[in-house]
Amino acid sequence: QKEVEQDPGPLSVPEGAIVSLNCTYSNSAFQYFMWYRQYSRKGPELLMYTYSSGNKEDGRFTAQVDKSSKYISLFIRDSQPSDSATYLCAMNPRNAGNMLTFGGGTRLMVKP
Amino acid sequence: DADVTQTPRNRITKTGKRIMLECSQTKGHDRMYWYRQDPGLGLRLIYYSFDVKDINKGEISDGYSVSRQAQAKFSLSLESAIPNQTALYFCATSDLGSNQPQHFGDGTRLSIL
Repeated sequence: QKEVEQDPGPLSVPEGAIVSLNCTYSNSAFQYFMWYRQYSRKGPELLMYTYSSGNKEDGRFTAQVDKSSKYISLFIRDSQPSDSATYLCAMNPRNAGNMLTFGGGTRLMVKP
Repeated sequence: DADVTQTPRNRITKTGKRIMLECSQTKGHDRMYWYRQDPGLGLRLIYYSFDVKDINKGEISDGYSVSRQAQAKFSLSLESAIPNQTALYFCATSDLGSNQPQHFGDGTRLSIL
C-alpha cells in the first residue's frame, strides 16, 4: 500500500464548477502538506503549502487538512479551463530534511 | 529565464548507452534533488544533495549516479541505460531550513530503445 493515495482521474468538470481533489495518507508523522500543479510538459509548481489542520485560502484555491482522518483536500472555486492540469499532493514529516512523499496525481480537465 | 534549468529537454537513446542529464539553478538554494516521474506513480526520489560535499541516495538510486559540480549544478547519469529507465526526470531545489518547499525544473523526457 502506498503511503499517499490519490485518485488518478481524469476528473472532467464544466467551467465554473467547484472542484474537490483529495489525498489520503497512512503515515501519522506527516506534518507539512503541499499541493503542486503540473501542466503538460512542465514541472510541478507549488500551489499551496499548509502545516496545521484546518483551511488555508488563496484566491480561488482552498487547502484543507484533517490530520485526525489523515485526509487532505484542495478545492478550486469557479474553475477555469486554465486550471486543467495534473494536481499532485505532497507531504513530509517535521524535520525530515525536505524529503517529500508524493501522491500519484489527479488529472483535471475543465471544459469551456 | 527559468530558475531551474534542465538539459536536454528530450532525449532518445539506445540500451547500454551512457547518458547525462544536467540541472542548473539560479535560486541560490543549497539543496538539490533528482526525481523520476512515471504515469500513476507520482514523483520518486533518485538522489539528493544538501550541499556540494553531500550526496545521498533516494528511494530508487540503483542504476543511477550523480555529481554535484557546484552549488548551482547537479547532474544525473545513467551509466548503462535500460528501457525501464524511460521516464520523465525532474530536478528540484529547496532552501535551507526544515520543510522548505521544493521548486522544479521543466523536466527531461528520456526514451531508451
